[in-house]
Amino acid sequence: SQTIHQWPVTLVQPVGSPLSLECTVEGTSNPNLYWYRQAAGRGLQLLFYSVGIGQISSEVPQNLSASRPQDRQFILSSKKLLLSDSGFYLCAWSPPGTVNTEAFFGQGTRLTVV
Amino acid sequence: AQKITQTQPGMFVQEKEAVTLDCTYDTSDPSYGLFWYKQPSSGEMIFLIYQGSYDQQNATEGRYSLNFQKARKSANLVISASQLGDSAMYFCAMREDTGRRALTFGSGTRLQVQP
Repeated sequence: SQTIHQWPVTLVQPVGSPLSLECTVEGTSNPNLYWYRQAAGRGLQLLFYSVGIGQISSEVPQNLSASRPQDRQFILSSKKLLLSDSGFYLCAWSPPGTVNTEAFFGQGTRLTVV
Repeated sequence: AQKITQTQPGMFVQEKEAVTLDCTYDTSDPSYGLFWYKQPSSGEMIFLIYQGSYDQQNATEGRYSLNFQKARKSANLVISASQLGDSAMYFCAMREDTGRRALTFGSGTRLQVQP
């Protein structure tokens, strides 16, 4: 069966520090991968998505970047965090190809920038 | 432009009663999928139900059903026989078949089930 791992679960970082959140998927090949951010009490905003190794699409211009160094690994990074980067970050995956399959989410990372 | 609209920021329902959570969407793609997710206070995203744009029947999954009205571009979630454990945020989402295949989410509805 497929599983998705996302870490860390919680993170407190000072302004100006770097960030690296990692997400890995097991039990599937060539998944579509996504990073979402959720502000407190709000909906999910798509940040990045990837349909293959090295293929990253950015949805929102911002202080963040994403990379996919391996087929089932997706990394969210920042060189210098801003206060506005605080939020709940969710990684997700879906099978490639069809529109009728749901996305499966990791447990999320609560990031607080202080 | 907002593609998924959930107009109810919060809803209350009595235990054992049914509740409808509204969702409207906007797309010009003839092929798309509509999804509902539940997010408890823990933050995990739990998939509830799916409806395809070409599906003739409304989707059902246990106590969840999706009232799909294609002409009105609405995909309301109906929860029957509400339970205290149903208290959570509920998100409607859509995936279009063309362009990017990512899910686009609405702003959510917070449901509180009262005993």
